[in-house]
Amino acid sequence: DTGVSQDPRHKITKRGQNVTFRCDPISEHNRLYWYRQTLGQGPEFLTYFQNEAQLEKSRLLSDRFSAERPKGSFSTLEIQRTEQGDSAMYLCASSLHYRGSNEKLFFGSGTQLSVL
Amino acid sequence: GIQVEQSPPDLILQEGANSTLRCNFSDSVNNLQWFHQNPWGQLINLFYIPSGTKQNGRLSATTVATERYSLLYISSSQTTDSGVYFCAVGSKLTFGKGITLSVRP
Repeated sequence: DTGVSQDPRHKITKRGQNVTFRCDPISEHNRLYWYRQTLGQGPEFLTYFQNEAQLEKSRLLSDRFSAERPKGSFSTLEIQRTEQGDSAMYLCASSLHYRGSNEKLFFGSGTQLSVL
Repeated sequence: GIQVEQSPPDLILQEGANSTLRCNFSDSVNNLQWFHQNPWGQLINLFYIPSGTKQNGRLSATTVATERYSLLYISSSQTTDSGVYFCAVGSKLTFGKGITLSVRP
């Protein structure tokens, strides 16, 4: 399977704990995006990378959130001191970006986070 | 930021029926995509369609960029078409709230 993969699929944690999610994009894709989706809503943009550079962060991404893409391949999203309001589906997507490209986004299956 | 409105919010169809899903957006965009989120939560990219018309099997989409709307047509619906359909626009993809489609056998 050469799609976007995310790990873990589900994470249950206690309030105050730190959690880390991993995303492996489609191998030739240079852009990687993180979104968050809560029940009944569409995904909301959090941040994105082009290769290893983090180009933009949403104001939704508080200082408890950090994302990395150290070698321009996989990415990690860490949430420190989790709060119950962080409970959501965290989605990763990737795309191939070049000048004039048709930049279709392809999503992974997501990581469902539950903070107790 | 850009606003995205989708209508209707919910749609119930009998298998075999046709439907039209609408997406209005508040500003000019050079990126518009339609997604289907299946009951297991997986988002599938249906179309990249910032303007014009595309067809893929029973699905087709039309975007009229100058009037800031896009339409997704589903013909001869099947139960597997059930799920939530999202329109997303802009460089970082701002999503609408989605249209929940239920196709009954």
